[in-house]
Amino acid sequence: DVKVTQSSRYLVKRTGEKVFLECVQDMDHENMFWYRQDPGLGLRLIYFSYDVKMKEKGDIPEGYSVSREKKERFSLILESASTNQTSMYLCASSEAGRGEQYFGPGTRLTVT
Amino acid sequence: EDQVTQSPEALRLQEGESSSLNCSYTVSGLRGLFWYRQDPGKGPEFLFTLYSAGEEKEKERLKATLTKKESFLHITAPKPEDSATYLCAVQDGSSNTGKLIFGQGTTLQVKP
Repeated sequence: DVKVTQSSRYLVKRTGEKVFLECVQDMDHENMFWYRQDPGLGLRLIYFSYDVKMKEKGDIPEGYSVSREKKERFSLILESASTNQTSMYLCASSEAGRGEQYFGPGTRLTVT
Repeated sequence: EDQVTQSPEALRLQEGESSSLNCSYTVSGLRGLFWYRQDPGKGPEFLFTLYSAGEEKEKERLKATLTKKESFLHITAPKPEDSATYLCAVQDGSSNTGKLIFGQGTTLQVKP
């Protein structure tokens, strides 16, 4: 079974803090994705990566950056957290060229 | 512009009352259509992939079908444990990065 893990299930941070969300997959997938999910807005793609050190912006990259130094690990960074970044963050991975994405359990981030 | 629309937004059924969820899509060449199940506070769980019109996939009480413009998720004799949000997503034919376009989801509640 594909296993995607995220570093925290729940996280509370203060406005202005730098926040790191980590995602690890164990299936040697080339593609990795970061989404945020908010009521009424559905899943929105923040960034994705199709190879080590490669990244592309998704639909809502503002206020976020990413890092992929190893194939199995994809990090989402909030440089200076703001209250409007309070959300559920979901990581996913997929094989190259295939659409089936496998999701982690999610991190519910609250910024106060 | 690629688009995915799911209906209804919410559906309440009595246990054993069969029904269907709809996913309409507009995409320039369909590479794949995907159904996911999401329980509250968890990441989406992959259910099915459909590639071409006329294709059908089944899993327990769920059956997914595909036409050139839409997909249906049929739920036969649902049980309370089928209560969840069901997400539909498409992969554009020009996309080789694995990016998906998600619908807003249908939240299903099955009452005993």
